[in-house]
Amino acid sequence: EAGVTQSPTHLIKTRGQQATLRCSPISGHTSVYWYQQALGLGLQFLLWYDEGEERNRGNFPPRFSGRQFPNYSSELNVNALELEDSALYLCASSFNEQYFGPGTRLTVT
Amino acid sequence: QQQVKQSPQSLIVQKGGISIINCAYENTAFDYFPWYQQFPGKGPALLIAIRPDVSEKKEGRFTISFNKSAKQFSLHIMDSQPGDSATYFCAASRWGSQGNLIFGKGTKLSVKP
Repeated sequence: EAGVTQSPTHLIKTRGQQATLRCSPISGHTSVYWYQQALGLGLQFLLWYDEGEERNRGNFPPRFSGRQFPNYSSELNVNALELEDSALYLCASSFNEQYFGPGTRLTVT
Repeated sequence: QQQVKQSPQSLIVQKGGISIINCAYENTAFDYFPWYQQFPGKGPALLIAIRPDVSEKKEGRFTISFNKSAKQFSLHIMDSQPGDSATYFCAASRWGSQGNLIFGKGTKLSVKP
């Protein structure tokens, strides 16, 4: 069974640009979670989607947004990129327990 | 009341030794306690999890000990190996509400050969 997949693996953007990150959950999982992990730091919860709806949101500005599609895949959008947005962005999916993908490394220059 | 406090922040253990990482939670409604293992540049992987109907769960060299009255749980890694060197995260939530999984800040484990 395939795990959680994320694309792209790496993304390099310039300050002020927009970034779009994608996540495909494990088959049968309806919930998708997004986390930000800055270098050397822990997991900061960003967003939780379930059945196409945003269920919870972490303490991040509105320029972090996303959506979940009918096939339960999800997209994270970060607008007006800032240097401190550089981080590993992790997606997880769950039916009960959360399983993480490999992450997308976003670098903002 | 939603915090999970994890200690130590970093840990150095000799090969063959026992690694112990501790976590404490505040919300008495929490009844699901997983541990995740993360290697550099990779996503966290679910290592082992416990529900409070048992006080201990063992999987290979990894054991979770749970103390409900103290609101604490810990991860023990027996016969630690260099390949165990990674960052370990504890977490807690209500079973069925894993969308509200609260993570500790992580412990960086280094196992010296």
